[in-house]
Amino acid sequence: DTEVTQTPKHLVMGMTNKKSLKCEQHMGHRAMYWYKQKAKKPPELMFVYSYEKLSINESVPSRFSPECPNSSLLNLHLHALQPEDSALYLCASRRAGGPPDEQFFGPGTRLTVL
Amino acid sequence: QQQVKQSPQSLIVQKGGISIINCAYENTAFDYFPWYQQFPGKGPALLIAIRPDVSEKKEGRFTISFNKSAKQFSLHIMDSQPGDSATYFCAARIIQGAQKLVFGQGTRLTINP
Repeated sequence: DTEVTQTPKHLVMGMTNKKSLKCEQHMGHRAMYWYKQKAKKPPELMFVYSYEKLSINESVPSRFSPECPNSSLLNLHLHALQPEDSALYLCASRRAGGPPDEQFFGPGTRLTVL
Repeated sequence: QQQVKQSPQSLIVQKGGISIINCAYENTAFDYFPWYQQFPGKGPALLIAIRPDVSEKKEGRFTISFNKSAKQFSLHIMDSQPGDSATYFCAARIIQGAQKLVFGQGTRLTINP
């Protein structure tokens, strides 16, 4: 299984809603990533978890709250988002601690904030 | 200094031609240089990658050329096909800590039939 799955595929939420994005992988990867991608732009790193501990937070606003409940799961909790947060949210995973180096990306969740 | 500069922004190539996308970097702490291909509505997928101790890597129609002294690397797509039409991102990995990727701005490639 070389797949990163993300749910939901699409999400529409109001600025007062609370929602969560979910990412799952069963490749035994111990590094997991959240990226945000706006149209026609490269993925922009948000958070990195390494061995279930948050190792990088790229100064992301607190309305985005990541969680790594176990080595296979990564969540992104959303609260009080702004319309400019509308984007494709990508999850990726990588085998930590040595090669191979590849980051496997999921298909993303298309988020629209009204 | 952590930037990766990618050019061109968009590229149109005839079917059967060679597509060439270039990237340049400044940070010598980068140790791994992947290229990702992304189709609309999909996540990026690794196409090919190279380490700086190798000057060229070929996988099928895709070749990375790497010039360590010039801090430049490029992707060549031989015999380009309409199915290659996608956005291509070069990237570079910072080896320290959690090893994050720094992406170029992307190239939208269109292969005309």
